[in-house]
Amino acid sequence: DAGVTQSPTHLIKTRGQHVTLRCSPISGHKSVSWYQQVLGQGPQFIFQYYEKEERGRGNFPDRFSARQFPNYSSELNVNALLLGDSALYLCASSLAPGQGIYEQYFGPGTRLTVT
Amino acid sequence: GDSVTQMEGPVTLSEEACLTINCTYTATGYPSLFWYVQYPGEGLQLLLKATKADDKGSNKGFEATYRKETTSFHLEKGSVQVSDSAVYFCALRSTGNQFYFGTGTSLTVIP
Repeated sequence: DAGVTQSPTHLIKTRGQHVTLRCSPISGHKSVSWYQQVLGQGPQFIFQYYEKEERGRGNFPDRFSARQFPNYSSELNVNALLLGDSALYLCASSLAPGQGIYEQYFGPGTRLTVT
Repeated sequence: GDSVTQMEGPVTLSEEACLTINCTYTATGYPSLFWYVQYPGEGLQLLLKATKADDKGSNKGFEATYRKETTSFHLEKGSVQVSDSAVYFCALRSTGNQFYFGTGTSLTVIP
């Protein structure tokens, strides 16, 4: 089975522009989470979606938004890009959120560079 | 707020040496704890997990015990191999369903 896929692989944008990143979860997985990983740091949690509803949100400004589609794929949108938004954006999927057994599978990420 | 503090790297060990990577956490309630690994050129992979106090997660010879009294989840392996060279991340999932990762510890094992 295919793992988590993300597109595009790399992206270069200019300050002030808008960007959309896409993620397809593993078949059968209904939950998708987004993370930002700045070089040399650990991933920072942005959002979690389950069954098309937001189930968790990290400490990111309103310029960041996301949605999940009926086929469980997801988009992360970032408006008014800043230089500091340059990072690797990771998507992770899981069967469902919840306490107890929980395992996320990460995609390879989208490398965003803002100039 | 909730957070994870992880031992700074990089760590360089000879093959068959013992490994300990320290991880402590701050959280309200009863978080779940994880270790993730990122091998060179690959994505993040779950290495092991523990969901309640005193649980021991184990995988591929690695172990970590959820210690609530010391708020720790240290990663250990008795004998490392060259193939263990990677970046290791400690993480917690809070009761509010948010995830917090440490900054990562780079491990290099030399033959």
